[in-house]
Amino acid sequence: DAGVTQSPTHLIKTRGQHVTLRCSPISGHKSVSWYQQVLGQGPQFIFQYYEKEERGRGNFPDRFSARQFPNYSSELNVNALLLGDSALYLCASSLQGSDTQYFGPGTRLTVL
Amino acid sequence: AQSVTQLGSHVSVSEGALVLLRCNYSSSVPPYLFWYVQYPNQGLQLLLKYTSAATLVKGINGFEAEFKKSETSFHLTKPSAHMSDAAEYFCAANTGNQFYFGTGTSLTVIP
Repeated sequence: DAGVTQSPTHLIKTRGQHVTLRCSPISGHKSVSWYQQVLGQGPQFIFQYYEKEERGRGNFPDRFSARQFPNYSSELNVNALLLGDSALYLCASSLQGSDTQYFGPGTRLTVL
Repeated sequence: AQSVTQLGSHVSVSEGALVLLRCNYSSSVPPYLFWYVQYPNQGLQLLLKYTSAATLVKGINGFEAEFKKSETSFHLTKPSAHMSDAAEYFCAANTGNQFYFGTGTSLTVIP
């Protein structure tokens, strides 16, 4: 069975640009969560979506937004990129919102 | 606020020696605790989870963890370290709609 997939694997942007990251959950999983992992730190929670509705939001600015589609895939959007947004962005899926989360390989975003 | 604390950002052990990685959680965190491992340039892989069924939890690759409510701890152990165990290890707590991760412990295995 395919695990959580994310695209692209690597991305380079410049300050002020916009970026869209994509995630496909494990088949049958209806919940998707997004995390930001800055180098040398643990993942920080950004959003959780369950059944296409936002169920949780971390302490991130409004430049960060996300959505979940009818097929349960998800997009994370970041506007007006800052140098500090450079990080590994991880997507995780689970059967329900409070179940064990399974992580994708991540998207490495570099902002120059 | 919920929190997870990992004691020791770097741990080094000799190959074949006991591995002990420490994790403590805040008392308000419900007993859904996890250990994940992250290899370089990869995502997080679930090692084991505690969901109140048993205090001693066995995971993959010979790892296990013991939940101690009196000490608010969930330490990860492995009797004999292998070179392939070298990685970053994260303890995490699930509050129902959010996972809180510790800052991670980098494990080095010395041949």
